[in-house]
Amino acid sequence: NAGVMQNPRHLVRRRGQEARLRCSPMKGHSHVYWYRQLPEEGLKFMVYLQKENIIDESGMPKERFSAEFPKEGPSILRIQQVVRGDSAAYFCASSPTLDGGRDSYEQYFGPGTRLTVT
Amino acid sequence: SQKIEQNSEALNIQEGKTATLTCNYTNYSPAYLQWYRQDPGRGPVFLLLIRENEKEKRKERLKVTFDTTLKQSLFHITASQPADSATYLCALPAGGYNKLIFGAGTRLAVHP
Repeated sequence: NAGVMQNPRHLVRRRGQEARLRCSPMKGHSHVYWYRQLPEEGLKFMVYLQKENIIDESGMPKERFSAEFPKEGPSILRIQQVVRGDSAAYFCASSPTLDGGRDSYEQYFGPGTRLTVT
Repeated sequence: SQKIEQNSEALNIQEGKTATLTCNYTNYSPAYLQWYRQDPGRGPVFLLLIRENEKEKRKERLKVTFDTTLKQSLFHITASQPADSATYLCALPAGGYNKLIFGAGTRLAVHP
């Protein structure tokens, strides 16, 4: 069972360009989370999605950032008109729904996408 | 607001000794607490989950305690090895869903 996959691993964008980060959750996992990690700082929650639904986007900046998890294909975190302050590592995590509809609490993280804005 | 504190200073210990890392939290009554390991340039890896009604949990050389009165969790690695060198993150659920709040992490360095 392949783990959580993220691509690209490294992304360089000039100020004003768009960044698209992709995440394929583990097989059978229906919950996806995006986190941002700035250098020397902890992981900050951004958004929690299930298939075709945004469950919690309380950590997403109000402007320029959006996320989706379509019925088919990977989850996408999109940053429009990037600025230098967007430079960070962006991690995706997934978790399964257990039998009986209970959610599993541990999260499985991908290797991250390191975004550099020049 | 909810706050999680981990010792920001690196912990340096000798191989074979027990490493003890601390996670304190405030303004919070979590149903469970998790510990993750993160190596440089990689994503966090889940290690252990302890629920509010559990005082202690063990997994191989790892032991976690959870004191809801003190609002503190201790993470122990016994018989530490250089391969245990990493940053260890404490995480708590927030917002009623699976959303996690992470501490800044404590860097552990185990010297041969």
